[in-house]
Amino acid sequence: DQQVKQNSPSLSVQEGRISILNCDYTNSMFDYFLWYKKYPAEGPTFLISISSIKDKNEDGRFTVFLNKSAKHLSLHIVPSQPGDSAVYFCAATNPTYNNNDMRFGAGTRLTVKP
Amino acid sequence: ETGVTQSPTHLIKTRGQQVTLRCSSQSGHNTVSWYQQALGQGPQFIFQYYREEENGRGNFPPRFSGLQFPNYSSELNVNALELDDSALYLCASSGRVGNTEAFFGQGTRLTVV
Repeated sequence: DQQVKQNSPSLSVQEGRISILNCDYTNSMFDYFLWYKKYPAEGPTFLISISSIKDKNEDGRFTVFLNKSAKHLSLHIVPSQPGDSAVYFCAATNPTYNNNDMRFGAGTRLTVKP
Repeated sequence: ETGVTQSPTHLIKTRGQQVTLRCSSQSGHNTVSWYQQALGQGPQFIFQYYREEENGRGNFPPRFSGLQFPNYSSELNVNALELDDSALYLCASSGRVGNTEAFFGQGTRLTVV
């Protein structure tokens, strides 16, 4: 059961432009969402998160938007840099309900071209 | 550098064998989770340990078992290996249950032949 879906396996953008990565979920019990970035031969690195009580969280160049009614979240990277090239995973959980069972999407490979 | 280290980095085993993977948590972290990441997929939750007790389990059979030690390091054991167990196994530590900003190790790449 794929409760978290990232429908775009890859995305290519030009340096300086905006990157928008999308994620959909099906389980309405999820109330905490995270984005992780993964470089080859490394483990995922936490990037940014958002609680369901918010609809936006910003950290520098990274902003996550949450639309609970649509069960959709997105990660915006502005401006995109070549060092942002990595695989991005969306994850969802309910910390008080399912013991930190984070459900991950399949990932989106972002390539930022110089 | 997350402070979470896993060993070994790569491993090849034969179908039917048993394997033990190890994880050293970030200092001060008492919660560790294990994930399996098959090729082209996102990580899948196997189980979590909190203060040496299993504290949640995903949809994995009992031949996947674990341990957490008093120093909060952890092991993942897999018995009767199957070809489909070939994957990247990730360990993640966090400071407390409910803190979902987990820090991942680099993973152990297991190949079952």
